[in-house]
Amino acid sequence: GIQVEQSPPDLILQEGANSTLRCNFSDSVNNLQWFHQNPWGQLINLFYIPSGTKQNGRLSATTVATERYSLLYISSSQTTDSGVYFCAVDPPFQGAQKLVFGQGTRLTINP
Amino acid sequence: NAGVTQTPKFQVLKTGQSMTLQCAQDMNHEYMSWYRQDPGMGLRLIHYSVGAGITDQGEVPNGYNVSRSTTEDFPLRLLSAAPSQTSVYFCASSQDQTSGAVRNTQYFGPGTRLTVL
Repeated sequence: GIQVEQSPPDLILQEGANSTLRCNFSDSVNNLQWFHQNPWGQLINLFYIPSGTKQNGRLSATTVATERYSLLYISSSQTTDSGVYFCAVDPPFQGAQKLVFGQGTRLTINP
Repeated sequence: NAGVTQTPKFQVLKTGQSMTLQCAQDMNHEYMSWYRQDPGMGLRLIHYSVGAGITDQGEVPNGYNVSRSTTEDFPLRLLSAAPSQTSVYFCASSQDQTSGAVRNTQYFGPGTRLTVL
């Protein structure tokens, strides 16, 4: 099946720093989504981004489908950005959406 | 809207016991799914449903049953709990499966933390 690899596994930054999280996937996909899991365990959808670039406030994401990777950018980090960031892809030709998740990047923002 | 709700929040079972994890959504979403999250890992799909009366298996379905009698509810049943089923379980929903951000974006419930002794 499709493989999804995220890097780095852990990232520790000071408040105000910028960061780039990467998601590589091994095959073509129907869609790609980025999620944030906060320290209390809640999963929030950040972006639905099968290709191209999207921005939402301090966060932006770019997916280059032909090269099979996606990047999540966080600018001017805040402590509330801490948590685990997951990318998830939906492989094609399965008849239904079946998201495959990466193992996540754990981001810690220190004040 | 309450979004996606899950009960209970925490549960401890003994090996061999059965139980049902409840999931409900009030967004009139057609697509619902169950995932499990183990320590240090991403989520893995257990079962999913594309509409009332239609369910199918995901990546790790063994030991779990589902049914979808209404659009709103998608319970997950553990038939005979095993320690390997100790995990955090998440239910999710999306509008449907057609392409596009609005329809495909997944909304997650708060999770159920299950421990099997």
